[in-house]
Amino acid sequence: DIQMTQSPSTLSASVGDRVTITCRASQSISSWLAWYQQKPGKAPKLLIYKASSLESGVPSRFSGSGSGTEFTLTISSLQPDDFATYYCQQYNSYHGTFGQGTKVEIK
Amino acid sequence: EVQLVESGGGLVQPGGSLRLSCAASGFTFSSYWMSWVRQAPGKGLEWVANIKQDGSEKYYVDSVKGRFTISRDNAKNSLYLQMNSLRAEDTAVYYCARVSDSSGYYWPYWGQGTLVTVSS
Repeated sequence: DIQMTQSPSTLSASVGDRVTITCRASQSISSWLAWYQQKPGKAPKLLIYKASSLESGVPSRFSGSGSGTEFTLTISSLQPDDFATYYCQQYNSYHGTFGQGTKVEIK
Repeated sequence: EVQLVESGGGLVQPGGSLRLSCAASGFTFSSYWMSWVRQAPGKGLEWVANIKQDGSEKYYVDSVKGRFTISRDNAKNSLYLQMNSLRAEDTAVYYCARVSDSSGYYWPYWGQGTLVTVSS
């Protein structure tokens, strides 16, 4: 199965900072990658699909890039509502593997 | 509005069984792949199983193969997860999720989750 590795595991940042999270796949997944945001006690929320397509209703400060095995999620100017845990997920196959998550904390 | 509402979670002893249900509304249920995704307490997300629109194809994560069965009833707009031979490591919040309507097994829609606790 394809393994997904996110870095960093935890990130401390301030409101207004530019934040970048990296996700690496153990083999090429083309652009079949999604990003989710999850807050405590809540279901995940889809942010990005097909590596760089913004889900409807998601603020434009979120962007995704990459293809093959290396991907990034960027938040251009961190807002108070963005403190959460972020997961990447590959869907190159029927087995949808997630990364281990990146927790974005207040600095 | 798409709504997914899970039920059936609870406390069960190791080796026991439980059946989760997910009631879907706000979309044509029979037109979409559906999935179960779980999250152990304080841990990350783990895909559990997928089922095709007509139930003819099913896929499972290795750790539940032979123990869990995903199924659906399109007439009742419902998704199910039969969980047998439960283990402590199956303790998690189980989410029902609808696969996207484009070509991709990712999830734009999620239920609120139901907690399964396996403990003696």
